[in-house]
Amino acid sequence: AQSVTQPDIHITVSEGASLELRCNYSYGATPYLFWYVQSPGQGLQLLLKYFSGDTLVQGIKGFEAEFKRSQSSFNLRKPSVHWSDAAEYFCAVGASGGFKTIFGAGTRLFVKA
Amino acid sequence: NAGVTQTPKFQVLKTGQSMTLQCAQDMNHEYMSWYRQDPGMGLRLIHYSVGEGTTAKGEVPDGYNVSRLNKREFSLRLESAAPSQTSVYFCASRAKPTEKHYGYTFGSGTRLTVV
Repeated sequence: AQSVTQPDIHITVSEGASLELRCNYSYGATPYLFWYVQSPGQGLQLLLKYFSGDTLVQGIKGFEAEFKRSQSSFNLRKPSVHWSDAAEYFCAVGASGGFKTIFGAGTRLFVKA
Repeated sequence: NAGVTQTPKFQVLKTGQSMTLQCAQDMNHEYMSWYRQDPGMGLRLIHYSVGEGTTAKGEVPDGYNVSRLNKREFSLRLESAAPSQTSVYFCASRAKPTEKHYGYTFGSGTRLTVV
């Protein structure tokens, strides 16, 4: 069965510092992987996605993520965090061509001045 | 603006009351889903639909019914609300996996409280 683990419930980084949010997944075949961001009181917005090919994918707002099959990971990174990046981030896995997308529990990012 | 529209945004129900959450999308998406979001649990899939007239159960379907009467609209009904259904509900839609823009578009959510 598909599952997603985000080990960090919350993370605090200083503005301008680099960021890495961890995501581990469990899935029998090559998965479709996603990162979404949710600002307070809003729905989720797609940041980036991985289907196949280059394991380093670029997304919106300066985010990138790297798929590592050997580690079953899809970590999200950003070189320099801005105060506006404070939000909750969700990793998700979907089956290739399938109908269900399973979400992790989320990591809340706090940015300090 | 293109997207997913949910109504209402807020609702308070008494235990045992019924209500329908409405969702409509204007992106010609085939797939639509209802999720609930609870603190520390991420989003859990309630029901989904892969096309007009089709519905299927997700991870947590009990206590909910859905209806996909046409391609645009996908409603979620609570027949007899319970306090355990207090949550934030999101409707989401997406294109078929073979299409370029694969990834959900979410509505802004409905915050439901059952007292």
